[in-house]
Amino acid sequence: QITLKESGPTVVKPTQTLTLTCTFSGFSLSTSGVGVGWIRQPPGKALEWLALIYWDDAKRYSPSLKSRLTITKDTSENQVVLTVTNLDPVDTATYYCARQNVGIDGYYQYYYMDVWGKGTTVTVSS
Amino acid sequence: SSELTQDPAVSVALGQTVRITCQGDSVRSYYASWYQQKPGQAPVLVIYGKNNRPSGIPDRFSGSTSGKTASLTITGAQAEDEADYYCYSRDISGNHLVFGGGTKLAVL
Repeated sequence: QITLKESGPTVVKPTQTLTLTCTFSGFSLSTSGVGVGWIRQPPGKALEWLALIYWDDAKRYSPSLKSRLTITKDTSENQVVLTVTNLDPVDTATYYCARQNVGIDGYYQYYYMDVWGKGTTVTVSS
Repeated sequence: SSELTQDPAVSVALGQTVRITCQGDSVRSYYASWYQQKPGQAPVLVIYGKNNRPSGIPDRFSGSTSGKTASLTITGAQAEDEADYYCYSRDISGNHLVFGGGTKLAVL
């Protein structure tokens, strides 16, 4: 059974740095083609893709947040960590991690997140 | 703004067929995947690749692609299908991924 669980602080002050940990089980982040991504969702708003780290340590970031995000992995501990710097109240959201897969069907590639954590709520407030 | 465009809201009568669309240049090169999200819950993958359903997803859910439009079709919508639906794909301009803005489906 594949599971992912997000953990981190529930309240953070503006300008501080947020560190979130995704602890997973049931798969290995050293398996070719596998990645773990972070997604957030402000209250009442849409999903926003943030960052992704692949089995080979390749990293991808949202262009609009790239300067504030860092994603790392600890394969032996089955963890992926996301840091977000210089927090603002607009960063208040539920943060999810999910397993990322890549596939090919003929000419097309496709990307999908097949298993998600339940999410962790982060409030940015002084 | 999202590089994948979805209609904000769609409605369907119980038992009828509804199509939820996702438009973007990246759809010409990458198949979109689709997620269902109910209030207070994490998203759930319902369609990936050309038209693949994860285990446990009813076969009334199907996916298709034409040009720059990806579609999620629910044939015979049920009350439990009322939810927000998001498409997801790789952005055509870079190596990052992106979600559509989401479609709220009401089953009447």
